[in-house]
Amino acid sequence: DTGVSQDPRHKITKRGQNVTFRCDPISEHNRLYWYRQTLGQGPEFLTYFQNEAQLEKSRLLSDRFSAERPKGSFSTLEIQRTEQGDSAMYLCASSLEQGIRTYEQYFGPGTRLTVT
Amino acid sequence: DQQVKQNSPSLSVQEGRISILNCDYTNSMFDYFLWYKKYPAEGPTFLISISSIKDKNEDGRFTVFLNKSAKHLSLHIVPSQPGDSAVYFCAASEWAGNQFYFGTGTSLTVIP
Repeated sequence: DTGVSQDPRHKITKRGQNVTFRCDPISEHNRLYWYRQTLGQGPEFLTYFQNEAQLEKSRLLSDRFSAERPKGSFSTLEIQRTEQGDSAMYLCASSLEQGIRTYEQYFGPGTRLTVT
Repeated sequence: DQQVKQNSPSLSVQEGRISILNCDYTNSMFDYFLWYKKYPAEGPTFLISISSIKDKNEDGRFTVFLNKSAKHLSLHIVPSQPGDSAVYFCAASEWAGNQFYFGTGTSLTVIP
């Protein structure tokens, strides 16, 4: 299976702890996106990479959130000092920058974070 | 502020009939529009898209219509099948696809 994978699928943590999620995109895709989704809402854009460069970041993204894509392949999303409001599904998506196909994002299954 | 809106949280349709899902947007700079389907415990799956230079795009049973003057798009599924039961999200992007905005989703149930 060469789809987008995310690890872990579920994470339960206590408030104040740091957590890190990993996303492995489709291998030839050079674009990678992170989203957050809460119950009853659509995915909310967090940040976007083209290769290893982080080119867009939502103004809603707290300073406690940081993302990296060190070699232009997998990406990590870290949340420091987690708060209960961080509880959500974190989705990763990738796409290939190739004309109209640039817009077709392929999503992973997500990491469900619960902050207690 | 919600730039992409899906005002119908749910829709039920008989198998074989047409399903019409609606989406409205506010940002006139949006250049590309997409529909995604989502099953429980899975990430969204790309379904069909349309560029702002077109007003219709078809792919098998799925057709997306875009009305730029009304800032409205719709997804038509004909004929509807029970396997189409899922949550459908519309999404929009400005040129270059650097950032995507999603609606809140419509849960479609196709009744056998």
